[in-house]
Amino acid sequence: DTGVSQNPRHKITKRGQNVTFRCDPISEHNRLYWYRQTLGQGPEFLTYFQNEAQLEKSRLLSDRFSAERPKGSFSTLEIQRTEQGDSAMYLCASSLIQGQAAAFGSGTRLTVV
Amino acid sequence: GENVGLHLPTLSVQEGDNSIINCAYSNSASDYFIWYKQESGKGPQFIIDIRSNMDKRQGQRVTVLLNKTVKHLSLQIAATQPGDSAVYFCAERGAGGTSYGKLTFGQGTILTVHP
Repeated sequence: DTGVSQNPRHKITKRGQNVTFRCDPISEHNRLYWYRQTLGQGPEFLTYFQNEAQLEKSRLLSDRFSAERPKGSFSTLEIQRTEQGDSAMYLCASSLIQGQAAAFGSGTRLTVV
Repeated sequence: GENVGLHLPTLSVQEGDNSIINCAYSNSASDYFIWYKQESGKGPQFIIDIRSNMDKRQGQRVTVLLNKTVKHLSLQIAATQPGDSAVYFCAERGAGGTSYGKLTFGQGTILTVHP
């Protein structure tokens, strides 16, 4: 296992378009997190899955954002009707147990033009 | 060199010096703290962690100190190398409920190591 994998690495889209990102966590990890990071800032929590259950969502996650983890393995994050303010790095992280630091992927950098 | 707080988010040191990066955290109920290193274009990489029942933990060339009284965390890097140049973030994890596991990140400090 090579760690948390995210695809695509980069995405440029026109305002108003929908985009979907994929995260493949470390295989035995049952906890999966999405974060968003803008330039010069630390990552901000978006949402959390334990297995296939989405247990927490940040108020940052507007109704244009939806995340799924249908089989408790990979996860997708979809942004509908993208806005320029959605431009950011979207990071996925996973962990096995509560007491373990999450391992992060390299992120998907979204640019909305 | 020493970062005296979030008002100075950059730290520049010479190779071989010791570096100290400071972080003030916000939630007195946080029970677990992590330092991450983030290089350009990459995701955060785990460096070292510490639980709230400890005040010091050592790793290879790194030491984390936790002062719960003043809600302060520091990362000490010994014999800093050019490869240590990156942005360093502290993160805290809240205890209890469905927030368990979610990390709240600090502002970050840019460390630049000159050969």
